[in-house]
Amino acid sequence: DQQVKQNSPSLSVQEGRISILNCDYTNSMFDYFLWYKKYPAEGPTFLISISSIKDKNEDGRFTVFLNKSAKHLSLHIVPSQPGDSAVYFCAASEGVGFQKLVFGTGTRLLVSP
Amino acid sequence: DTAVSQTPKYLVTQMGNDKSIKCEQNLGHDTMYWYKQDSKKFLKIMFSYNNKELIINETVPNRFSPKSPDKAHLNLHINSLELGDSAVYFCASSQVGGLGYTFGSGTRLTVV
Repeated sequence: DQQVKQNSPSLSVQEGRISILNCDYTNSMFDYFLWYKKYPAEGPTFLISISSIKDKNEDGRFTVFLNKSAKHLSLHIVPSQPGDSAVYFCAASEGVGFQKLVFGTGTRLLVSP
Repeated sequence: DTAVSQTPKYLVTQMGNDKSIKCEQNLGHDTMYWYKQDSKKFLKIMFSYNNKELIINETVPNRFSPKSPDKAHLNLHINSLELGDSAVYFCASSQVGGLGYTFGSGTRLTVV
């Protein structure tokens, strides 16, 4: 029973263009959402988060959009850079206590020069 | 000066053996976790400890026993290893109200 889903296992984008990574969730109790980035042989690193009271959060080239009615969030990277090539995980939790993050299966992003 | 460090990075062992993975964090966080990433790349929580107290145990077989001697350490001991235990195990820590987890670099366990 996968409560957080990333249906695209991979995405290829050219340098300078926009990357859009998508995530869907089923648990309506989730109210805090995070994106993590993972390079090979390293642990995931926190990228950006959004609370359910917002529909958009921006941090430099990274923007996360939340559509609560559709139970959908997306991560936009503009402009994409080759160093952004990594696996991106969407995660969700009930509350901000971070007692339990539920992760999606990840989307591998490849940004080509 | 690594924030969350786990050892060993790689572990290859035979079925039936007992092994341990160690984790330490120097961030002063009060909560630590073990996550398992299986062959399908699914990252799933196993255990969570807050100030040395077990708060989450996600239906993990009792062959897996976490131990937290203090809030900076959370070790994972696995008895009678099985082929299906092969995975990457990530330790993580967090502070309530902080911005998500800080993960270690993972331990790739291979059971042969």
